[in-house]
Amino acid sequence: AQSVTQPDIHITVSEGASLELRCNYSYGATPYLFWYVQSPGQGLQLLLKYFSGDTLVQGIKGFEAEFKRSQSSFNLRKPSVHWSDAAEYFCAVVGGAYNNNDMRFGAGTRLTVKP
Amino acid sequence: DTGVSQNPRHKITKRGQNVTFRCDPISEHNRLYWYRQTLGQGPEFLTYFQNEAQLEKSRLLSDRFSAERPKGSFSTLEIQRTEQGDSAMYLCASSLATGSGANVLTFGAGSRLTVL
Repeated sequence: AQSVTQPDIHITVSEGASLELRCNYSYGATPYLFWYVQSPGQGLQLLLKYFSGDTLVQGIKGFEAEFKRSQSSFNLRKPSVHWSDAAEYFCAVVGGAYNNNDMRFGAGTRLTVKP
Repeated sequence: DTGVSQNPRHKITKRGQNVTFRCDPISEHNRLYWYRQTLGQGPEFLTYFQNEAQLEKSRLLSDRFSAERPKGSFSTLEIQRTEQGDSAMYLCASSLATGSGANVLTFGAGSRLTVL
């Protein structure tokens, strides 16, 4: 079964600094990959997704992510972090077009932004 | 369209009581999902419906849990004889799935259950 690993439980960055959140997946084929963000007490908001094609995908709020098949990774990046980006970030995977029923999430990375 | 709506947002109950959560998905979405999220963890899949049919259930969904989507629109998740271990955020999501291709979930704000 597919699985997702987010190695960093908590990351702190200064406002204006760059950000990279790591995500590794385990799946036999090329899955569909997602990043979601969750603010305290709220549901999950989709930041971006990768299905196929260009391995660098752009999302909302200035985020981007790069799919690297050789590393089974889908890391999230942002060149300059804003205080409002402080939240929990989840990487998720479904097993592609014909196995898209069961979305699996990583344990999340909590982002703290220092002023 | 107001997105995915969940009620109540927070429920506090005593151990042994039954609780029910309701989810109203985006109206044109044919799939509806329930996830459970405990503190410090990502959401865990519980079950999903395609229209009114419950097509998959996780092993996490014990006999005390039951979900319905009687008319293919809103759904309810009932937990009977609640236990302290049931304390969690219960998330509902919906999507428009066509059998193949992209299946992007839109989540509600969740219903937080606290079992005393």
